[in-house]
Amino acid sequence: AQSVTQLGSHVSVSEGALVLLRCNYSSSVPPYLFWYVQYPNQGLQLLLKYTTGATLVKGINGFEAEFKKSETSFHLTKPSAHMSDAAEYFCAVSGTNAGKSTFGDGTTLTVKP
Amino acid sequence: NAGVTQTPKFQVLKTGQSMTLQCAQDMNHNSMYWYRQDPGMGLRLIYYSASEGTTDKGEVPNGYNVSRLNKREFSLRLESAAPSQTSVYFCASSERGTGNSPLHFGNGTRLTVT
Repeated sequence: AQSVTQLGSHVSVSEGALVLLRCNYSSSVPPYLFWYVQYPNQGLQLLLKYTTGATLVKGINGFEAEFKKSETSFHLTKPSAHMSDAAEYFCAVSGTNAGKSTFGDGTTLTVKP
Repeated sequence: NAGVTQTPKFQVLKTGQSMTLQCAQDMNHNSMYWYRQDPGMGLRLIYYSASEGTTDKGEVPNGYNVSRLNKREFSLRLESAAPSQTSVYFCASSERGTGNSPLHFGNGTRLTVT
């Protein structure tokens, strides 16, 4: 069994401030972890993924995430928010079968000028 | 490169009507998926097809049927639409059906059942 919890359904930051979106997971097998972004009226796009190897993963648009097995976390960060980062972000966990991916409920990021 | 294409983009149905949502991908991916997205509930898997010729139920399959027509196309059918099926439907594909293969999504079909 696996699950994903995204802490905070809404996060608001000022332009230029640090972005931190939290994701905790549970999985009975070594997990594969993903962050996706969804802009209004669009589908989800892959931001970054952790499969094996380095625990600090860099993605597109300046985002990165760190896999911490001891904390079962995979938080998403960006040092300096941009207005174009406003979107909904989804954390997902997968085991051996992509068809069994589990998504969090999503976090809406608002960026204030 | 179109990626994953879904049609139609919007649809309004009356209770009891039927319809088929179409999905095609041009990335030569083996696996395809149908999800529904409801406010505050993330994405829930309806059906998936690990490879051409196979389909499996996901988390919420009741009221839906699917057809993997060929490697490119995967359709979702609602035989008798209900208001509870009002949702945004996303088709996705992945290169392999393994857990480390990321999903590529279409732009969705917004369905309203009255």
